[in-house]
Amino acid sequence: QVQLVESGGGLVKPGGSLRLSCAASGFKFSDYYMSWIRQAPGKGLEWVSYISSSGTATLYADSVRGRFTISRDNARNSLYMQMNNLRAEDTAVYYCVRTLWDAFDIWGQGTMVTVSS
Amino acid sequence: DIVMTQSPDSLAVSLGERATINCKSSQSVFSSPNNKNYLAWYQQKPGQPPRLLIYWASTRESGVPDRFSGSGSGTDFTLTINSLQAEDVALYYCQSYYSSTFTFGPGTKVDIK
Repeated sequence: QVQLVESGGGLVKPGGSLRLSCAASGFKFSDYYMSWIRQAPGKGLEWVSYISSSGTATLYADSVRGRFTISRDNARNSLYMQMNNLRAEDTAVYYCVRTLWDAFDIWGQGTMVTVSS
Repeated sequence: DIVMTQSPDSLAVSLGERATINCKSSQSVFSSPNNKNYLAWYQQKPGQPPRLLIYWASTRESGVPDRFSGSGSGTDFTLTINSLQAEDVALYYCQSYYSSTFTFGPGTKVDIK
């Protein structure tokens, strides 16, 4: 079945780095745009970044631009997010999400990132 | 930047009755080249990721019960849940795509009265 499984979350100190991964299965990964969306504890949803199907185009929310880098490996059916210079406000569950032109149709279960000293 | 608002913040509806959630965008999300409104609705239950219910303002995602319907255009949109079921208790979010940015509304909590 169609599935997205995130990994790589954890506890990191402010200013630190973390790399999230997402393994896709059950669909032709290379045909789809992909996104990362986050949800701080008890809060709403915030789109973070997306990447085109080929990986040549990327977009970022203002809150992470210059600190986060999205990438993908279509041969490995995998999506990544390199997160640098992390801040307390980056604490959230990070979801890997299959992206249609303007909506998000398949979500992973999420991986928790906690930024704290 | 586009701002999405939802009303009410929460509502309680009796089983079998109708629930109506409103969503308003600060800019029109209508795309004239393809005649689509870039507005989607999601349902999120505790401890679960969101689930896509409606896209293009009124197109129901595959597998979504037909008691869920979306309407509206431009800046004003509505999600209607007809004949509310116990399993519909959840948070509901609207989401827009505008000027290369995706924005979610703050969410509306639906409970049983």
